[in-house]
Amino acid sequence: KAGVTQTPRYLIKTRGQQVTLSCSPISGHRSVSWYQQTPGQGLQFLFEYFSETQRNKGNFPGRFSGRQFSNSRSEMNVSTLELGDSALYLCASSLTGGSNYGYTFGSGTRLTVV
Amino acid sequence: TQLLEQSPQFLSIQEGENLTVYCNSSSVFSSLQWYRQEPGEGPVLLVTVVTGGEVKKLKRLTFQFGDARKDSSLHITAAQPGDTGLYLCARKGSSNTGKLIFGQGTTLQVKP
Repeated sequence: KAGVTQTPRYLIKTRGQQVTLSCSPISGHRSVSWYQQTPGQGLQFLFEYFSETQRNKGNFPGRFSGRQFSNSRSEMNVSTLELGDSALYLCASSLTGGSNYGYTFGSGTRLTVV
Repeated sequence: TQLLEQSPQFLSIQEGENLTVYCNSSSVFSSLQWYRQEPGEGPVLLVTVVTGGEVKKLKRLTFQFGDARKDSSLHITAAQPGDTGLYLCARKGSSNTGKLIFGQGTTLQVKP
């Protein structure tokens, strides 16, 4: 079965712009979580969506937002980009998000803000 | 904050050597996951340990969950260049969500 697909793989944006990243989970998975990975902070949880509802949110400013569609595909948006937003953005999908098992990550979107 | 501390942060060894990576917390957790991440890719789940004292083996990799469920270790026997990567431990943020809290990771380089 197809894995988790993230698009685009690479993105270069200018400070002040906004960006939208997309994540298509494994078919049948209803939970999608987003993470930011940087060399200094490691992997940090952004938010989780389950059945089109945000179920959990990490400690990030309001410039970071997301949504989930009825087919479980998810998007995250970052507005007013800052240099510090440069990172690898990863999404992970799972059946329900409550299990100890079955977290599958996508290959990520590498965002560079210049 | 229920942090996970991994050690060492970096490890560079020769092919054939053995190594152990540690993941520790001051809090008890219900389960722990280990991931391996290669450059430019997302983390790939290696194993989940759930029961205190549990030992799981995946070929040359041995994972152990501490009796008190506050720590875990990953031991690699006869490391190979293909084992090179970032090893991450992670615990669930709460019982009924998909939130994972990750350790800082251990970067392993295995030289041929």
